[in-house]
Amino acid sequence: DTAVSQTPKYLVTQMGNDKSIKCEQNLGHDTMYWYKQDSKKFLKIMFSYNNKELIINETVPNRFSPKSPDKAHLNLHINSLELGDSAVYFCASRRTSGGANEQFFGPGTRLTVL
Amino acid sequence: QQQVKQSPQSLIVQKGGIPIINCAYENTAFDYFPWYQQFPGKGPALLIAIRPDVSEKKEGRFTISFNKSAKQFSLHIMDSQPGDSATYFCAAPDSSYKLIFGSGTRLLVRP
Repeated sequence: DTAVSQTPKYLVTQMGNDKSIKCEQNLGHDTMYWYKQDSKKFLKIMFSYNNKELIINETVPNRFSPKSPDKAHLNLHINSLELGDSAVYFCASRRTSGGANEQFFGPGTRLTVL
Repeated sequence: QQQVKQSPQSLIVQKGGIPIINCAYENTAFDYFPWYQQFPGKGPALLIAIRPDVSEKKEGRFTISFNKSAKQFSLHIMDSQPGDSATYFCAAPDSSYKLIFGSGTRLLVRP
């Protein structure tokens, strides 16, 4: 199936730990995103990569570090996890050529920090 | 940065009703205004989108009305069904790469 996939789907961890979330898209898109959705459903962009280059870096604590090894993958590493990091993290991708605007979202990773 | 104000925060209608969700934006530099639908436990998915060269776009039971001078656009769901119960997000571009999402509207359609 063509899609945006994320692993893991659920992540429960203790405060202070370091964790990573992985995202892969097989849609042939050149731009990928990380979003954070809080408990009130507010969807906020965190980072975006275009062809492995960081193009959007919102006001996010530097404990969050994205990495894009290639156009199809975008990972998110979080150091020293805090309670406030608990949220659902969504990866999305988009093809920027040809005037395409639709962003395709993954199923989300629910992070719970205890 | 683009601000997108969405209302109402939540909405309850009876089956067959016509829920209306409104959005207002600030930055007029771009020309793509989508609505995303999100079911519980799933990622948002594009529902319908409009470019401001038209005032209305209809796809099935979903219609976007666009008022460029007022910088507002709204989503209407005709003959709403319980299966339409979801969270709806409007969005507006803040750059050629970035979408700013509204705060979301939780819609419940009662049988």
